[in-house]
Amino acid sequence: NAGVTQTPKFQVLKTGQSMTLQCAQDMNHNSMYWYRQDPGMGLRLIYYSASEGTTDKGEVPNGYNVSRLNKREFSLRLESAAPSQTSVYFCASSDEGRQPQHFGDGTRLSIL
Amino acid sequence: QKEVEQDPGPLSVPEGAIVSLNCTYSNSAFQYFMWYRQYSRKGPELLMYTYSSGNKEDGRFTAQVDKSSKYISLFIRDSQPSDSATYLCAMGNAGNMLTFGGGTRLMVKP
Repeated sequence: NAGVTQTPKFQVLKTGQSMTLQCAQDMNHNSMYWYRQDPGMGLRLIYYSASEGTTDKGEVPNGYNVSRLNKREFSLRLESAAPSQTSVYFCASSDEGRQPQHFGDGTRLSIL
Repeated sequence: QKEVEQDPGPLSVPEGAIVSLNCTYSNSAFQYFMWYRQYSRKGPELLMYTYSSGNKEDGRFTAQVDKSSKYISLFIRDSQPSDSATYLCAMGNAGNMLTFGGGTRLMVKP
């Protein structure tokens, strides 16, 4: 059982380049999330999708866009990458109603 | 002040020790509490999940919640080198959103 799958695992970009991070879950969860994890800052929510067809901003949405492609897939796009977006990005999914979130293994993104 | 505070460590203990990891929080609306374990270069993995005050045990792990003091703990008995990881507390209120602590790095030495 794959759970939450993120691609790519690693990526290096130049400032100003664009990129889409992909996430897919096979647990039939309604809700999906994108976080970034930085040293000393913990996990911070970028965007989430409570259900297919809906998306909402989290704590740190600036510089990002998301697409809930279908129930399984939730992508995160950086339109014009900046060095401040160097981070590890995690996708997660959960059932509704106070259920725990299940995480992928992350995408390590460096922006030069 | 952060909503959830967690000592970053690192916490270094000998194999076989009892480990105590703690989080404090300020938002009394938090209703459910979780502990995640994160190995290096991996995603957080759910360890424990509880709604209520009191203790919940699962093998060598015990989660303790004290809502009156806004304090949660994770105890690890007979710690093993394989327990070396970063431990994240997380908590939520009525919806699906979670607020995470910054994580405590634990090192168990053989």
